[in-house]
Amino acid sequence: AQSVTQPDIHITVSEGASLELRCNYSYGATPYLFWYVQSPGQGLQLLLKYFSGDTLVQGIKGFEAEFKRSQSSFNLRKPSVHWSDAAEYFCAVAFQTGANNLFFGTGTRLTVIP
Amino acid sequence: NAGVMQNPRHLVRRRGQEARLRCSPMKGHSHVYWYRQLPEEGLKFMVYLQKENIIDESGMPKERFSAEFPKEGPSILRIQQVVRGDSAAYFCASSPDVYEQYFGPGTRLTVT
Repeated sequence: AQSVTQPDIHITVSEGASLELRCNYSYGATPYLFWYVQSPGQGLQLLLKYFSGDTLVQGIKGFEAEFKRSQSSFNLRKPSVHWSDAAEYFCAVAFQTGANNLFFGTGTRLTVIP
Repeated sequence: NAGVMQNPRHLVRRRGQEARLRCSPMKGHSHVYWYRQLPEEGLKFMVYLQKENIIDESGMPKERFSAEFPKEGPSILRIQQVVRGDSAAYFCASSPDVYEQYFGPGTRLTVT
């Protein structure tokens, strides 16, 4: 069955520390992959996406993600976290060519401490 | 270019009333999607529409829920005879072609 898993419900990091948020999917082929960020009471903002090509993709706000086919993963990283990065992060997947609905993980809440 | 607009941002309805949620896509976007977010959960796909057509409604509950995207005007998500379990945040997204979806700020529906 197709699924998207974000194993970490809540992560706390110190400001300035590095960050990695995990995302795994279950699918027989390579899906289209996305990371979104949601601030409290707000909508979702697209951070980055992977369709094909270079497996390391750069996004906005200093974020990057790496697609690893062997691990069915698309982890989000940032080398130095800022207090303003505190938010909910969602991994999303489009499983089928021509299918337009996104499947979302359950999200990882990031807390940044001074 | 204004982003995806949704209104109202907050909606309170009593059980049994109707809720109408509106979504205006970004200029030039002809694809509209509706998602529902329950507390502490990710977004769940409900329906995908293009102008005057429902393309995929596989995520819509079979009863009480309907959606439209008319030739003129915003897309509407309509929930009839609301129940407490309908309380959620409803997000609309639009895209110019496929896959890269831009989300609105959401409508938070509370059923009392």
